[in-house]
Amino acid sequence: EDQVTQSPEALRLQEGESSSLNCSYTVSGLRGLFWYRQDPGKGPEFLFTLYSAGEEKEKERLKATLTKKESFLHITAPKPEDSATYLCAVRSNYGGATNKLIFGTGTLLAVQP
Amino acid sequence: DGGITQSPKYLFRKEGQNVTLSCEQNLNHDAMYWYRQDPGQGLRLIYYSQIVNDFQKGDIAEGYSVSREKKESFPLTVTSAQKNPTAFYLCASTRGGTYGYTFGSGTRLTVV
Repeated sequence: EDQVTQSPEALRLQEGESSSLNCSYTVSGLRGLFWYRQDPGKGPEFLFTLYSAGEEKEKERLKATLTKKESFLHITAPKPEDSATYLCAVRSNYGGATNKLIFGTGTLLAVQP
Repeated sequence: DGGITQSPKYLFRKEGQNVTLSCEQNLNHDAMYWYRQDPGQGLRLIYYSQIVNDFQKGDIAEGYSVSREKKESFPLTVTSAQKNPTAFYLCASTRGGTYGYTFGSGTRLTVV
C-alpha cells in the first residue's frame, strides 16, 4: 500500500534559522510528489511538484529536493510569515483512481521573530 | 480568476440531519475530489469523480454521498449515517496528467 510519512510533526524555529522538513514515501511507481502549504482554516496551497530523483525546485526561501525514497523541503532564513503546516503528497494509481493523491499528516512550522 | 469555491465556510448540523456542502469550479477540470481533514491525520479521500455523471468511493465513503451532474459542480452530502461528521472538508480538482490539485478554501462542519 502506498504511504507517506512526514517528520517532524512540529518544528519551531527562530527567524533566520534554516532547517529541513522530511517526507518519506513508499509508492508503486512514483508519478509525482507534491508539496503544499496550508494556513489555519484554509485550503492547501500548491508549492512544488517533483517527478524524478535528483530533481530540485525553488521558490523564495523554499527549496524542494527528491530522492528515490524521500523528499526534503529546505527552508532558508525563514520569516514569521513562513509559519504554516506543510503537506507532502504522492500521486498514486492505488485502487484504480488515476490522479489520486495520498497525503502525509503534515509538519506544523512555527517561526518566531 | 479561476478557482474552486466551497460554501458555506461554516456549517452546523443537528443530530439526524443531512447537510450538503457545495463545491463549484471554473477551471474546466474534469476530475474533482472530496477530502476530510481531522487534527493529527492526513487528508482522507471521501469520493472522487473523473468525469461528469460518474463518481467513485474513496477510502472513507460510508455516511457520505455525492453527485456530478455538471462538470463545474461536485456537491457532498453528509448523511445522518455518518457518526462522526465534525471535521474540515476540502474539495479539490485537477486537469490531470502531471498537474497537482487546486483546493477550495474548505468547509468546517460541526455537529451540535
